[in-house]
Amino acid sequence: DVKVTQSSRYLVKRTGEKVFLECVQDMDHENMFWYRQDPGLGLRLIYFSYDVKMKEKGDIPEGYSVSREKKERFSLILESASTNQTSMYLCASSPPSGGGLYFGAGTRLSVL
Amino acid sequence: GNSVTQMEGPVTLSEEAFLTINCTYTATGYPSLFWYVQYPGEGLQLLLKATKADDKGSNKGFEATYRKETTSFHLEKGSVQVSDSAVYFCALSLTGTASKLTFGTGTRLQVTL
Repeated sequence: DVKVTQSSRYLVKRTGEKVFLECVQDMDHENMFWYRQDPGLGLRLIYFSYDVKMKEKGDIPEGYSVSREKKERFSLILESASTNQTSMYLCASSPPSGGGLYFGAGTRLSVL
Repeated sequence: GNSVTQMEGPVTLSEEAFLTINCTYTATGYPSLFWYVQYPGEGLQLLLKATKADDKGSNKGFEATYRKETTSFHLEKGSVQVSDSAVYFCALSLTGTASKLTFGTGTRLQVTL
């Protein structure tokens, strides 16, 4: 089975802190994604990557950056956390042939 | 642009009732369509998919048919169980977009005894 592992289930950070959310997949997938999930808004794409060191902005990239130094790892970075970034963050991966995404369990981030 | 519209929830049903969750889409090309399910405290799991018009996706008793003429992909199940209680997301992706999905807002299903 494909496994997508997010390093933390819950995080509490203070406004202005730099926050790293880590995601690792074990199926050699080319494509990786970061979404945030908010009530009433569904899932919104922040960034995605279709290869090592490649990244593309999604629908809501403001306030975020990403890093993909190795194929299996995709990191989401909040340069200076703000309270409106309190959310559930979901990482996903997929093979280049498509067919759907494989999701991690999510990281619930609270910014105080 | 591309978008997915789902019926508002929550949907509350008794066990063994028939389920329909409506989903319609707007897309500039020919999308693939998906239903994902999210159980409490977990990430999303792919439930079923359809890649072209008139395809029927099915899994675990759930079904959805890709209707191009009505741009719809409604989720149905003949007899729901308490264990089906979850949030259901409809989504689309366009060919050549590296599996980038556009999601609906989700519909919460609560099944009671």
